[in-house]
Amino acid sequence: NAGVTQTPKFQVLKTGQSMTLQCAQDMNHEYMSWYRQDPGMGLRLIHYSVGAGITDQGEVPNGYNVSRSTTEDFPLRLLSAAPSQTSVYFCASSYLPGLAHEQYFGPGTRLTVT
Amino acid sequence: GDSVTQMEGPVTLSEEAFLTINCTYTATGYPSLFWYVQYPGEGLQLLLKATKADDKGSNKGFEATYRKETTSFHLEKGSVQVSDSAVYFCAPNNNNDMRFGAGTRLTVKP
Repeated sequence: NAGVTQTPKFQVLKTGQSMTLQCAQDMNHEYMSWYRQDPGMGLRLIHYSVGAGITDQGEVPNGYNVSRSTTEDFPLRLLSAAPSQTSVYFCASSYLPGLAHEQYFGPGTRLTVT
Repeated sequence: GDSVTQMEGPVTLSEEAFLTINCTYTATGYPSLFWYVQYPGEGLQLLLKATKADDKGSNKGFEATYRKETTSFHLEKGSVQVSDSAVYFCAPNNNNDMRFGAGTRLTVKP
């Protein structure tokens, strides 16, 4: 199994540009999520999905869109990039939503918005 | 809403020293509690977990006990190694919204 994969690993955008961060998992996990990691702030949940066709907002959803058309893929779209979105983005998945199941993380995408 | 407070770092220890990283949380109901570790340049990976009160999670010499009365889940290791240098995250999980602490950076010197 490849686990959770993310592309690209690095990206530089100009303010106002749009892009999509890709995330895929091959573990047949129902639950997938996107986090951003900023210095001193831990990981903050952007959006999550409990299955294909179902998404919901997390702690910091503004400026980001997601969709879940298949179990495997959970792309994150930045509609109009802003410098405040400079961060490291992690995608994660778990077997089921809820309490006892660990999340498996991808290697991250480092995004810089100038 | 739910929240987690984690000991601020960075923490620098000598090899074989004792480690404690404090974590307290606020949550409704009975969350499961996790510690994740992030090595340089990598994503997070599960270190240990506990799913009910008084449970002890353990892995790689690390331990943490689910203390419901004090809403805490402190991470401990009796003798740290250089290879334990990483960032450690406490994470209570009460529903689909898993919150993470700010992370504690540990550096272990030979």
